[in-house]
Amino acid sequence: EIVLTQSPGTLSLSPGERATLSCRASQSLSSSYLAWYQQRPGQAPRLLIYVASSRATGIPDRFSGSGSGTDFTLTISRLEPEDFAVYYCQQYGGSPEWTFGQGTKVEIK
Amino acid sequence: EVQLVESGGGLVPPGGSLRLSCVASGFTFSSNWMHWVRQAPGKGLVWVSRINNDGGSITYADYVKGRFTISRDNAKNTLYLQMNSLRAEDTAVYYCARGGHYNFDLWGQGTLVTVSS
Repeated sequence: EIVLTQSPGTLSLSPGERATLSCRASQSLSSSYLAWYQQRPGQAPRLLIYVASSRATGIPDRFSGSGSGTDFTLTISRLEPEDFAVYYCQQYGGSPEWTFGQGTKVEIK
Repeated sequence: EVQLVESGGGLVPPGGSLRLSCVASGFTFSSNWMHWVRQAPGKGLVWVSRINNDGGSITYADYVKGRFTISRDNAKNTLYLQMNSLRAEDTAVYYCARGGHYNFDLWGQGTLVTVSS
């Protein structure tokens, strides 16, 4: 099983600040197989980034993804009030075919 | 509007069964792989099962294999999850999700399944 470890567990920041979220895989991934999701309280997850660095439809350009191999990053350039949420990375491959990281909560400082 | 709408959740005793449904609209359902993903209360996301566009290829996570059955009816734009031999640890919100490029590009609002006596 490919394990995704996200850090930090919680990120306390103020609106307008930059957020940097990390996702580390237990073995090397194809960048094609790494995605990021946002989940606001009481809502379903929403796809933000796919193939490691491509923004999904309708996602603002303050969200960006980068990385390769085992280390991937989601950056939010300037936090808006609606960005305070939980973020998950997800990979495809191995068994089970799809796995998620445990999540990073971005909370208001 | 492009959307997925789940139904069928509820309270069921351990060992019981439940059938979840997910109705798709606004896109060509028969062209897409579909998935079920669950989230236990206060926990993270866990993939459960997937089915290819014509139902001819299906996979499950090990912890539901032999107990859950995924299926689809493309004429009705509907995805199903038959859940048997339910356990307390199956308690979760169950989301249906459309398969994108090795990811999940559209999610339903979820349906809560509670397994308890």
